[in-house]
Parts: sequence; structure tokens; C-alpha cells
Amino acid sequence: NAGVTQTPKFRILKIGQSMTLQCTQDMNHNYMYWYRQDPGMGLKLIYYSVGAGITDKGEVPNGYNVSRSTTEDFPLRLELAAPSQTSVYFCASRVHGDSPLHFGNGTRLTVT
Amino acid sequence: AQKITQTQPGMFVQEKEAVTLDCTYDTSDPSYGLFWYKQPSSGEMIFLIYQGSYDQQNATEGRYSLNFQKARKSANLVISASQLGDSAMYFCAMREALRSNDYKLSFGAGTTVTVRA
Repeated sequence: NAGVTQTPKFRILKIGQSMTLQCTQDMNHNYMYWYRQDPGMGLKLIYYSVGAGITDKGEVPNGYNVSRSTTEDFPLRLELAAPSQTSVYFCASRVHGDSPLHFGNGTRLTVT
Repeated sequence: AQKITQTQPGMFVQEKEAVTLDCTYDTSDPSYGLFWYKQPSSGEMIFLIYQGSYDQQNATEGRYSLNFQKARKSANLVISASQLGDSAMYFCAMREALRSNDYKLSFGAGTTVTVRA
């Protein structure tokens, strides 16, 4: 059982470039989330989804977009990378109720 | 306004001793929950323990226990019999309702624990 899988693990982007961070889960979880973690800080919510076809903004959505065409996949898109987006990005999912979030191993992104 | 406060940026603890990590929170929602996650140097986020606001007894999971004091709005994590593998960053997070049956987690800034042999 793979859980939540994120790719790539590391990426360096130049300012203005675009990329998609991939996230897939094999636990049939409806709820999925994208968080970012800046150095020495806690996690901040970027976007979330309660099911296929439904997405919504979190605390820090500017500069990002998401889609949820299937239950399994929840990609995060950066259109015009900026140095402020240098961070570690975590995807997470959960089943229902008070169940905890299951996190992927993160993607470390550097924008220079 | 910050809703989760972890006031201890770093702590040292001797192996086999207990350590308490502080967490205070602020919410007006009568239904909420507190989670603790561990983040080792490898970077993954590992769920440790959860306490709901309506739970009568303090949660325990192995060597982890949650000292939940609603009146003080605190949810401190106690790690008993510390091991070298407990060295990590620890995050307190509070469940906040987004919509029916969904929630987000708001995280504190974390506490780094270093266990000394």
C-alpha cells in the first residue's frame, strides 16, 4: 500500500518557469490537501479538495492552481514561479470524520 | 491571529527521560480537535496522537500522551522514556471546520526535540 505519493522529490526552477507537482493516493480518500512549509515554520494550507471535481482555496493560494479530475490525483500547478515559492510542498489525504491527515514525503522546490 | 502557539523552539532531553511539549490554542468553535505530528530530519510528517474537544479522557498512544486542559486551552504532548529516535520537530495542529464533514489543520511553528544519550 503506497499511501500518498508525491513527485518529484526535488526541483529547481528559474523565475517565471512553470511546473506541476504531482500527488496521487491509493487509499480511496475523498479529502486531499496541499500544504507548503517554509524553513523553520509550520505548514500552511494552499488548496484542498473534498472530492473529484471540487476544489477550494486555503490560506495561501496565490500563484497556484489545482485540479481534481479523479479521486486518486490532486496535482498542484505553479504557473509563473517566484522566489517566494521556494518551499517544501506536502500533499495529504484523509478518509472522513476526525481521521488524521496522511502526508506524502514532500517536494522540495527552489526557485532562483 | 495565530491560533496555535508552540512557545518552545528547541528542547534537549536525556535519553529515557520524559519530555513535555507545550501547545496552546485559540478557537471559538465548541467542536475541534488537536493533533500532534512528528517530522524527523528526513522530512516526512508522521501522525502521533489526536484528541477531540468532546473526548472525556486524555488520549494515549504508546509512549505518547496528550495532556488536554480545555479551560487553559492547552494540549501538551508528553513523550515518556525518550529514545534517540525521538529527535525530531514536533508540530501541534488544530482541526478547524471548513464545511460539513471537512476540516483543515492549522499548524503551530513546531518544537525541535533533541534526545541526548
